[in-house]
Amino acid sequence: AQRVTQPEKLLSVFKGAPVELKCNYSYSGSPELFWYVQYSRQRLQLLLRHISRESIKGFTADLNKGETSFHLKKPFAQEEDSAMYYCALSGYNQGGKLIFGQGTELSVKP
Amino acid sequence: NAGVTQTPKFQVLKTGQSMTLQCAQDMNHNSMYWYRQDPGMGLRLIYYSASEGTTDKGEVPNGYNVSRLNKREFSLRLESAAPSQTSVYFCASSAGQGFGMAFFGQGTRLTVV
Repeated sequence: AQRVTQPEKLLSVFKGAPVELKCNYSYSGSPELFWYVQYSRQRLQLLLRHISRESIKGFTADLNKGETSFHLKKPFAQEEDSAMYYCALSGYNQGGKLIFGQGTELSVKP
Repeated sequence: NAGVTQTPKFQVLKTGQSMTLQCAQDMNHNSMYWYRQDPGMGLRLIYYSASEGTTDKGEVPNGYNVSRLNKREFSLRLESAAPSQTSVYFCASSAGQGFGMAFFGQGTRLTVV
């Protein structure tokens, strides 16, 4: 079965603390993994994709094929990071046909 | 630099009413998608169109119909709205080839009373 699991509904941290949002997946084949972010009542924006291996807004994510995970990390959280984060995957030639996790709401307190 | 544009942004319907959500993209993308977003369930694919002239069901198609009017436009129709269709609806587009990324519209917040 193709599935993305984000075990935490809500993650609350203080400003300056490290953040890790967990994502595990199940997929037969080699998927592409994404992190999308949705700030309050705005459209979803792409934050990271695993094939680009870049750092956006201080966030990084490494694909671990052995553990089928794609956890999102940031060493020092900022208040403006407060948002809903979605992990998603797609297959080759299916770039927009995404399977989403349930989402994790990140709350960064001052 | 519009990207993906959806109309309307908000809508309240009575049970049994019909309506069409409009979506247009200006990125010359082949593929377009409709998702619904519900709390605790993430986004789920309703219908998609891999290319102009084709449409396919996604995970939750019941109660919806779609039309790929041309390469730019992809509409979602609710023929007889039900309270269970209260949700936020997102349209998205992608090149559809290789590992392409998706671009999303700003969403339509629909309430069925």
